[in-house]
Amino acid sequence: AQSVTQPDIHITVSEGASLELRCNYSYGATPYLFWYVQSPGQGLQLLLKYFSGDTLVQGIKGFEAEFKRSQSSFNLRKPSVHWSDAAEYFCAVGGNGNKLVFGAGTILRVKS
Amino acid sequence: EAGVVQSPRYKIIEKKQPVAFWCNPISGHNTLYWYLQNLGQGPELLIRYENEEAVDDSQLPKDRFSAERLKGVDSTLKIQPAELGDSAVYLCASSLDREYNEQFFGPGTRLTVL
Repeated sequence: AQSVTQPDIHITVSEGASLELRCNYSYGATPYLFWYVQSPGQGLQLLLKYFSGDTLVQGIKGFEAEFKRSQSSFNLRKPSVHWSDAAEYFCAVGGNGNKLVFGAGTILRVKS
Repeated sequence: EAGVVQSPRYKIIEKKQPVAFWCNPISGHNTLYWYLQNLGQGPELLIRYENEEAVDDSQLPKDRFSAERLKGVDSTLKIQPAELGDSAVYLCASSLDREYNEQFFGPGTRLTVL
C-alpha cells in the first residue's frame, strides 16, 4: 500500500535561512511525487511535481525538491525563506491511474 | 481562468441533520475529486469522478455519504445524517485527466457538527 511520512509536524526557521522539509514515501512502482502548500483557510496549491527524468525538480516560489529512489525520499528545499512562506506543506505520492495519498503535513513557522 | 469553486465555505449544523456541499471544477477538467481533511491531517480521497462516472468510491462511507456529478461538470457531496465525527474540511479538486498531472484544489468547506 502506498503511504507518505512527513517526520516533522512543526518546523521553525528564521527569515532568510534555508529550509528543508522531509518526505519519505512507500510505493510499489515508479511514483509520482508532489508537494503542495496550504495557507490557513485556503485550498492546496501545487508547488512542484516529479514524474520522471531529472531527479531535481524546480517549482514555484523558489522551491525545489530532490527525488532519491534509494532513500524513498522527496525532500523539499528553499535556500532563503520569506515570512510569506509560513503555511502547511503536504507531500503526496501517486501513480498512473492510482489515487493520491498525502502525508500528515508539516507546519512551517518563520521567525522575523 | 476561474479556479475550483466550492460552496458554502463554512457550515454549522446539528447532528443528525443533512448537509450538502457543491463544487464546480475548472472548465474542461474531466476528473473531479472529493477529499476529506481532518484537523492536523492530510487530505484523504473520498471519491473520484471521470466525467459523470464514479471510478473510485472505495473510501466513501456509503451508509451516510452520497455524491453525484450528473452532467459531468459540477458535483454535490451529501451527508445524511451528519455525525459529530464528520466535522472536517471537505475539499474538491479537479484535473484534466486521471493521470494526476496536476490537481487543482478549491478552498474547501469547513463543516462543524454540533
